[in-house]
This record gives sequence, C-alpha cells and structure tokens, in this order.
Amino acid sequence: DVQMTQSPSNLAASPGESVSINCKASKSISKYLAWYQQKPGKANKLLIYSGSTLQSGTPSRFSGSGSGTDFTLTIRNLEPEDFGLYYCQQHNEYPDTFGAGTKLELK
Amino acid sequence: EVQLVESGGGLVQPGRSLKLSCAASGFTFSNYGMAWVRQTPTKGLEWVASISTGGGNTYYRDSVKGRFTISRDNAKNTQYLQMDSLRSEDTATYYCARQSRSSHWFAYWGQGTLVTVSS
Repeated sequence: DVQMTQSPSNLAASPGESVSINCKASKSISKYLAWYQQKPGKANKLLIYSGSTLQSGTPSRFSGSGSGTDFTLTIRNLEPEDFGLYYCQQHNEYPDTFGAGTKLELK
Repeated sequence: EVQLVESGGGLVQPGRSLKLSCAASGFTFSNYGMAWVRQTPTKGLEWVASISTGGGNTYYRDSVKGRFTISRDNAKNTQYLQMDSLRSEDTATYYCARQSRSSHWFAYWGQGTLVTVSS
C-alpha cells in the first residue's frame, strides 16, 4: 500500500495569513493526489484533485502543487471558514490511502 | 443538489452482521462508481471498498476482504455494505462517497453512520 505522510499535524494561523500543508507518498503516485476539508457536522469537501485541479466551487485562494511523491496544499489569505481539518488522499492505485490529517486552528 | 444519506449503523456484537445503505439523489447514480470510507480517531480515514457503475467490479481493503460485500441497486439509487464477522477494529464512522468518472477521488460524501462493534 502507498503510505501517505502528512505534515504538520497541527497548524495555527491568523486570518489573512498563508499556510502550506505537505503530503509525501511512499512511492510515486504521478499527479494523483486529492485534498479534502473536514468540518464538524458537515460532509467532507473535495478541494483539489489530480494534484492541482481545483474542484468546482473551491476558492482560488486554495492551490495544490507537486507530483511524484511530494505535494503541497497552499491556502493564501486565510478566511475564518478555512479553519478545520485537511486530509490528502492518493488516487493513483487501490487501496486508496489518506494522510493522517492536519488541524488548522485559529491563532 | 447531490445528496448521499447513509443508514443502518448501530451497536453490534463481535462476530455478528450489519448492513449499511446509502441513498443517493441529485445525480445519475448509474453513471458513477461508489465507495465506502471509514474513520476512527486513531486510524483516521480508511478506504474500505469501491464498486463500479454496473456493479461488476468491486475492490476491498485487505482487512475486510471475505467479510464485507459492497453492492448497488441502480434502480433504487442505493449502494450497500454488508458487513459480516464484525470485529472491534471495524468500529468507525462509515461514509458513503461518490467517485469521479475518471478516477477515484471523492467529489461527494455523506454525513456518515456510526458502527460500534462491542459486546
């Protein structure tokens, strides 16, 4: 199975700041990485797929980059609604595997 | 509006069975592969199983192979997860998710149903 190592586990930032979350695959997954946001009481939200393609409705302040084994989710000009949990998922091969998550908290 | 609504979770004893359902609406169900993903506080998100549009192809994580069966009824816009020989480590919130048409990222998720395996 492809192991996904996500970092950092926790991140504190203020509205208006920019943050980056990293995801490293144990082997090459080409461009096939997705990013999700999870918030209490809401369905998980797909933000980005295939490494850098924004899902319809994802604000442009979100961006994804990387290929092979190293990927980054960047959020610029943080808005209050951006605070929550973020997960990466490789969708290159079964079994699909997820990172352990990053909790983005308000500083 | 795409909606995925899970049902069927609950408390069950080890070794017993449970069947989850996921009712889909707001899209042409038969055009999309579907999946079940579970989540626990310790293991995080784990993909469990996926099924192709017509149901002819199914995929499982190793730890549930031979115990869980994913299926779908396109006439009822519903997918299922039959869980047999349940173990304590199957305790989790189970999410229904819709795959993309070209790959297996999950564009839509349900709110989840909690399965607790305990005596």
